Amino acid sequence: AQSVAQPEDQVNVAEGNPLTVKCTYSVSGNPYLFWYVQYPNRGLQFLLKYITGDNLVKGSYGFEAEFNKSQTSFHLKKPSALVSDSALYFCAVRADSNYQLIWGAGTKLIIKP
Amino acid sequence: EAQVTQNPRYLITVTGKKLTVTCSQNMNHEYMSWYRQDPGLGLRQIYYSMNVEVTDKGDVPEGYKVSRKEKRNFPLILESPSPNQTSLYFCASSRRLGHQAAYEQYFGPGTRLTVT
Repeated sequence: AQSVAQPEDQVNVAEGNPLTVKCTYSVSGNPYLFWYVQYPNRGLQFLLKYITGDNLVKGSYGFEAEFNKSQTSFHLKKPSALVSDSALYFCAVRADSNYQLIWGAGTKLIIKP
Repeated sequence: EAQVTQNPRYLITVTGKKLTVTCSQNMNHEYMSWYRQDPGLGLRQIYYSMNVEVTDKGDVPEGYKVSRKEKRNFPLILESPSPNQTSLYFCASSRRLGHQAAYEQYFGPGTRLTVT
């Protein structure tokens, strides 16, 4: 069965420091991995995705994510956090063999000035 | 502007009173989906549609109906709402799904439904 885990409900980071939001997954076959962000009172917005190729994927707003096949992880990173990055972040995964997208429970990212 | 629109944005209703939440996209997307978001549970898929007249159940379809008569519209129908359907609902669309086709989804702004 497919699953995705975001082990931290909340991540607190000081502005200017690097941030990491963790995501691990379990699928049969090759994974397609996504990160989305939800700002307060807004719908979700796509940040980045990994389909194939380079393990380091760059996305919107300076975010990037690294696909690690051996650790089945797809952690979201940013070198220098901004207060405006404070939001709810969702990881999602599907296998290349089916169409169902599985979502993590979300991680609340709080960036303090 | 490419977008997914939902109406209404907020709705308070009573148990048993049928309601419809509309969803429309202007991107000619084949795939559309409905999700509900509840604290600590992330997004759970209710129904999805691969194309016109093609719909299928997601993870939590009980108590909901959908239809896809036109490519741009995908309404969510609650025939007899109950308090456990109080939630935040999102409609989303994307280009087609398929093997090695993994397009990002575009989300509507959400509909906050309260059933008393």
